[in-house]
Parts: sequence; C-alpha cells; structure tokens
Amino acid sequence: QPVLTQSSSASASLGSSVKLTCTLSRGHSSYIIAWHQQQPGKAPRYLMKLEGSGSYNKGSGVPDRFSGSSSGADRYLTISNLQFEDEADYYCETWDRNTLVVFGGGTKLTVL
Amino acid sequence: QVQLVESGGGLVKPGGSLRLSCAASGFTFSDYYMSWIRQAPGKGLEWVSYISSSGSTMYYVDSVKGRFTISRDNAKNSLYLQMNSLRAEDTAVYYCARPGWLPDYWGQGTLVTVSS
Repeated sequence: QPVLTQSSSASASLGSSVKLTCTLSRGHSSYIIAWHQQQPGKAPRYLMKLEGSGSYNKGSGVPDRFSGSSSGADRYLTISNLQFEDEADYYCETWDRNTLVVFGGGTKLTVL
Repeated sequence: QVQLVESGGGLVKPGGSLRLSCAASGFTFSDYYMSWIRQAPGKGLEWVSYISSSGSTMYYVDSVKGRFTISRDNAKNSLYLQMNSLRAEDTAVYYCARPGWLPDYWGQGTLVTVSS
C-alpha cells in the first residue's frame, strides 16, 4: 500500500521560494498525487494534481506562484514569491484501488 | 460555483449516533463520487469513506467499518454520513469533498465531539 512521507515543517522568507516534498513509498513511484493547502482555522483547499511525469493541473483560482514537479518517487510543490497568506499546512494525497485514499502527514510552512 | 455545505455536527456521548449531511450545488451531483474526510483536533487529514455516483458502491477506512454508513440522495443533491457507536477517537471536523479521491472541492466542515 502507498505511504506518503512529508517533512513536518518548513520555513522560508517573505518573497522567496520554497519547495515542499512528498515522497511515495517503494513500488508506488508512478502514482498521481494531489496537493492541498490548509490555512489556519480553514478548510483544506485543493491546489493541484501532479503526475509522475511532472505534469500538473491546478485548481480554479490557484495563483501562478504555485507549481508542481516530480522526480522519481518525489512530488514537489514549489511556491514562489512567498506571501504571508501562504503560511499554512500542506498535505499530499494519493489513491490506490486496494488501500483507497491516503494522506501524507502534512508540512507546516512558516513564512518568516 | 461549486458549493458543499456540511451540517449535523455536535456533541454526542460515547456510544451515541449522529447523522451528517452535505448539501451540494453548482455541479451535476449525480455525476460524481463523493467522500467524507475528517481531521481530529491538531492532527492531519484522514479519509473516512467514499461513495460511487449512483450510490451502489461504498468504501470505508477500517476504523469506521460496521459503525459508519455513507449514503446519498441524488434527487436532493445531498450526501450523508450515519455515524453509530461513536467513540472519543471519532472527535473531528468532518469534511465533505468531491470527488471520492484527489478531491478538487471541499466543504467548510462540521465538528463532531464525542464526550461524556
């Protein structure tokens, strides 16, 4: 069954860029994932679906500052020109016909 | 625009029952699988259940099997989660989401607190 591994925390300065990583477990490196953002006290928000090829499809209204990429089992979310409103928890998610839906543990992003 | 609005949360004693509802609008509800996802206080996201577009097939996380039942009424554009034999560890905000996996829309959530 797929397992998604995320760092528990990350930080970057206002106006800089940050790259968050979600790593798929062995044998699942081809899986599509989704990235979701959860700002403090709010519901999650879909950001994008990201394929193993690096191709991604963003949700409605997601700023151009958000992009995705892939390398092997790693799926990345890059946020450019960081804003204070980007301070949030970021979750990756995947699906498997046997284990169904799986979420990563989430990365708490702090904007300095 | 797509809207998902949950209701039905509240305080319930251990062993009690609660029925959550999710009212959908802005899209053809009957075309989509739908899911429930929860988040315990201070914790991450946990998928709970999803249901096929017709309502004929349902899937559950192991921890709720036999206690929770997902259902839908396509005529009313509504999704439901019947929760029985509730435990303290079921305390969470419950989100309705579309579709069943890799959801692109989430509701605002409804809080369920299981406590004596």
